[in-house]
Amino acid sequence: KNEVEQSPQNLTAQEGEFITINCSYSVGISALHWLQQHPGGGIVSLFMLSSGKKKHGRLIATINIQEKHSSLHITASHPRDSAVYICAAETSGSRLTFGEGTQLTVNP
Amino acid sequence: DGGITQSPKYLFRKEGQNVTLSCEQNLNHDAMYWYRQDPGQGLRLIYYSQIVNDFQKGDIAEGYSVSREKKESFPLTVTSAQKNPTAFYLCASSSPNRSGQPQHFGDGTRLSIL
Repeated sequence: KNEVEQSPQNLTAQEGEFITINCSYSVGISALHWLQQHPGGGIVSLFMLSSGKKKHGRLIATINIQEKHSSLHITASHPRDSAVYICAAETSGSRLTFGEGTQLTVNP
Repeated sequence: DGGITQSPKYLFRKEGQNVTLSCEQNLNHDAMYWYRQDPGQGLRLIYYSQIVNDFQKGDIAEGYSVSREKKESFPLTVTSAQKNPTAFYLCASSSPNRSGQPQHFGDGTRLSIL
């Protein structure tokens, strides 16, 4: 069993839909990261959180430390949101353990 | 603008040949990392360095080597001992001593075997 599990692996939505991607982890963490990878391969950091909730534009990330679970929500989804979303658990020494990613496709 | 530059974007290697992937950052970050990404798998840590002239093996270091002679640079050599080098390689950096700072990633190098 992977230390970081994401679901779903693939997600297809219609423009405007509310999207949720889930991440569960089994290790002790100092922070939980959400990353976005576009088709070209480059990765952008979306959120880094250790408790509660963070919001940036249409993106919201939440974490429940007791349940070892985090969610990434996208409101009013748009085709430009199509990308791979990756959850990563930060452990000691700033090392990251990555989930396999969720491929999101938003159709117009 | 500050960032991480990886080069080349695409790289081809012949059997038995060593190749070096470049990673340069101008973010003044102390820590640098090399990851490998294979289809359907999460990123895996190859090597990381938290300070100049020091580096540690990650989870899949066999067949790879690194150096950290300058703060800005962390080149990765894929040696002939790496039997399955075809993958997407990502470099990252961070300032672990500054709380709340995420890792910054380069755009990656895609390595293929001829």
